[in-house]
Amino acid sequence: KAGVTQTPRYLIKTRGQQVTLSCSPISGHRSVSWYQQTPGQGLQFLFEYFSETQRNKGNFPGRFSGRQFSNSRSEMNVSTLELGDSALYLCASSLVPDQPQHFGDGTRLSIL
Amino acid sequence: KQEVTQIPAALSVPEGENLVLNCSFTDSAIYNLQWFRQDPGKGLTSLLLIQSSQREQTSGRLNASLDKSSGRSTLYIAASQPGDSATYLCAVPAGGYQKVTFGIGTKLQVIP
Repeated sequence: KAGVTQTPRYLIKTRGQQVTLSCSPISGHRSVSWYQQTPGQGLQFLFEYFSETQRNKGNFPGRFSGRQFSNSRSEMNVSTLELGDSALYLCASSLVPDQPQHFGDGTRLSIL
Repeated sequence: KQEVTQIPAALSVPEGENLVLNCSFTDSAIYNLQWFRQDPGKGLTSLLLIQSSQREQTSGRLNASLDKSSGRSTLYIAASQPGDSATYLCAVPAGGYQKVTFGIGTKLQVIP
């Protein structure tokens, strides 16, 4: 059974650009959550999707957005990139909300 | 607002030692607590999930305990091995949704 797949693994962008990250959950999993991990702040919750609906959102500016498709795949978008957006972005899936999460290996985003 | 603290931030031990990692949380109204392992440049691997009704969970050389009333959990690793070297994070759901609060983690190094 394939795990959570995140693409791309690495990404380099410049300030002001926008980026889209993709997450394919484990087959059958319908809940997808996104997290940002930085050395200073640790892991911070971005948002959670279930059945194409955003159930919860963390304390991030509106430049961070996401969506979930009918096949449970999810994307997150960050617009007007800032240097501080450099981080490892992790996606986690679970069968349904409030069940144990399984994480992908993340997308390493670097902003120059 | 749930806050999660992990002590120590880093730990270096010789191979074969038994060790304890600590996690404390401020809001005891949790329904589970999860311990994860993260290898450098990788995502998180779930180690143990303790439901609020449980006091401990065991998996191989790992044992996690939960004391909701005092807001504490410990992860006990028996007979440590160099392959145990990683960062260990505890995570607590905040509220009834999958908005999860993570500790910063304990970076463990087991020296051969």
